[in-house]
Amino acid sequence: DAGVTQSPTHLIKTRGQQVTLRCSPKSGHDTVSWYQQALGQGPQFIFQYYEEEERQRGNFPDRFSGHQFPNYSSELNVNALLLGDSALYLCASSLALTDTDTQYFGPGTRLTVL
Amino acid sequence: GDSVTQMEGPVTLSEEAFLTINCTYTATGYPSLFWYVQYPGEGLQLLLKATKADDKGSNKGFEATYRKETTSFHLEKGSVQVSDSAVYFCALSDPWGGSQGNLIFGKGTKLSVKP
Repeated sequence: DAGVTQSPTHLIKTRGQQVTLRCSPKSGHDTVSWYQQALGQGPQFIFQYYEEEERQRGNFPDRFSGHQFPNYSSELNVNALLLGDSALYLCASSLALTDTDTQYFGPGTRLTVL
Repeated sequence: GDSVTQMEGPVTLSEEAFLTINCTYTATGYPSLFWYVQYPGEGLQLLLKATKADDKGSNKGFEATYRKETTSFHLEKGSVQVSDSAVYFCALSDPWGGSQGNLIFGKGTKLSVKP
């Protein structure tokens, strides 16, 4: 049973650039959430996708956007990167109808902005 | 809004010692409560959960009881091992309240277990 996978593992960008991170949910899951984890902190909710639409959004600027595909995989896009965007980005998946609040996390993508 | 507060770390214990990591929460609805563990360089793994008052979650020797009267969900283990060294996060999901289903995390508690 494949768990949540994310790519790439690490990424280095410079200020002002744009980045796309990818996530494949756990087999059978239909909901994908994205979190940002700064060094030494707990994860912060960015947004959640279900049925290819953004269902909820945390307190993040519009520079952060996402997409969910028909196969339930998802992308996180960040435009106009700032130094403060350096963090571990975590994707989590869940199943909407039966257990929406139990989320399973991927290994994360470490983004460094120089 | 909803929030989670957990004890400051780091916590350093000797192998076979008893572990308690305190966690308290504030929620407007009826939250589910979780403990996640993060090993160095990895993502978060679900350790245990409880969905209603007085439920006890347990896994790998860890346990936590959902206490509504004290709004707490403290993590305990009777005998820790070196392999338990990690960062532990308490979290809540409150679908009908402030968090609307997304997870709200505490800041994490780093545990180091010495042989």
